[in-house]
Amino acid sequence: SQQGEEDPQALSIQEGENATMNCSYKTSINNLQWYRQNSGRGLVHLILIRSNEREKHSGRLRVTLDTSKKSSSLLITASRAADTASYFCATAKAAGNKLTFGGGTRVLVKP
Amino acid sequence: DAMVIQNPRYQVTQFGKPVTLSCSQTLNHNVMYWYQQKSSQAPKLLFHYYDKDFNNEADTPDNFQSRRPNTSFCFLDIRSPGLGDAAMYLCATSRVRLAGVNEQFFGPGTRLTVL
Repeated sequence: SQQGEEDPQALSIQEGENATMNCSYKTSINNLQWYRQNSGRGLVHLILIRSNEREKHSGRLRVTLDTSKKSSSLLITASRAADTASYFCATAKAAGNKLTFGGGTRVLVKP
Repeated sequence: DAMVIQNPRYQVTQFGKPVTLSCSQTLNHNVMYWYQQKSSQAPKLLFHYYDKDFNNEADTPDNFQSRRPNTSFCFLDIRSPGLGDAAMYLCATSRVRLAGVNEQFFGPGTRLTVL
């Protein structure tokens, strides 16, 4: 079963607007990662946040993690048409070598 | 450039006809993963290799097998493909250290069609 659930399932915004998506998970984690997937392609790693971190930035991306609520958010600021993709969160436990992916959020950025 | 390569990008097979998908990497990562992804769904882990150690997921059908002859290559064998096995198959690699899972690097995927 999926560890993470993402919300919303789909998001449509205008270029220049911000896009926010959320991820909730069920068990303790070592880290949480966000990936982007363009249509029909492989996934690309965006950012990793460890369980002892609360916020992380990378370019136009901002990720927060609240371990007490078992949730994370991904904010894309000043969105561009090229940001159109599906975004997945994935959690890693302290033991093992696996990621468990959430269901993903499909983001459409209209020019 | 270091990368994860999957061949072929598109594979068509007939119901019940064995098929092999291949993955190679130039990253020298110790872990390789195979995922199945159906339309609009999350990637589902089938199995992974930590070096030569094979780790199967409990719900992966016996119809799916894998081989990793060396660090660089990993194969996914589907012994008798059914219509329900039509999907995108993604290979990924990771350099796993003691601190836990680090980022995974994905190939472009192989889209499998079963006729």
